Amino acid sequence: ETGVTQSPTHLIKTRGQQVTLRCSSQSGHNTVSWYQQALGQGPQFIFQYYREEENGRGNFPPRFSGLQFPNYSSELNVNALELDDSALYLCASSPPDSGVGELFFGEGSRLTVL
Amino acid sequence: AQTVTQSQPEMSVQEAETVTLSCTYDTSESNYYLFWYKQPPSRQMILVIRQEAYKQQNATENRFSVNFQKAAKSFSLKISDSQLGDTAMYFCAFMSARSGNTGKLIFGQGTTLQVKP
Repeated sequence: ETGVTQSPTHLIKTRGQQVTLRCSSQSGHNTVSWYQQALGQGPQFIFQYYREEENGRGNFPPRFSGLQFPNYSSELNVNALELDDSALYLCASSPPDSGVGELFFGEGSRLTVL
Repeated sequence: AQTVTQSQPEMSVQEAETVTLSCTYDTSESNYYLFWYKQPPSRQMILVIRQEAYKQQNATENRFSVNFQKAAKSFSLKISDSQLGDTAMYFCAFMSARSGNTGKLIFGQGTTLQVKP
């Protein structure tokens, strides 16, 4: 059984550009969450998707948006990139019968904004 | 707003010894969940242990146990018989019961644990 996979693993963008990060959930997992982890900090919740709908959002501006597809894979889109968007972006999925707060994380996508 | 604080940025322990990582949190809610997650150098975070606030008994998972002090809003992690594979960054996290199952965890800043041979 494959775990949560994310792509790309590393990417560099310039300020003002747009980026799309992708996540394939673990098999059978129908919920996906996205987190931003700045260097040396703990992850911060961006949003969660369930049944292709946003199901909770953290304190992030609208230029952070997402999608969940019927196969439960997901995308995180960030428009008008800022220098502070440089971070590790983590995707986490969970199955229907998961315990509260039990998330299965991918290894992340490291975004550098120049 | 809830906050989670880990006051120990780095810790080290000798292999086979015991180490305790500290965590405090702030909330006005009475029903919530607390977690310890481990992030090894490969970056994939793993759930170590979970505690429901309404349970007085401290959670235990093999070599990992917690000391949950609800009144003091303290939630420490004890690792017994430390192993080299325990080397990782450890995050304490909080989830409000009112969040439902939105996946909204509030993480602390993390503690880097180095287990020395």
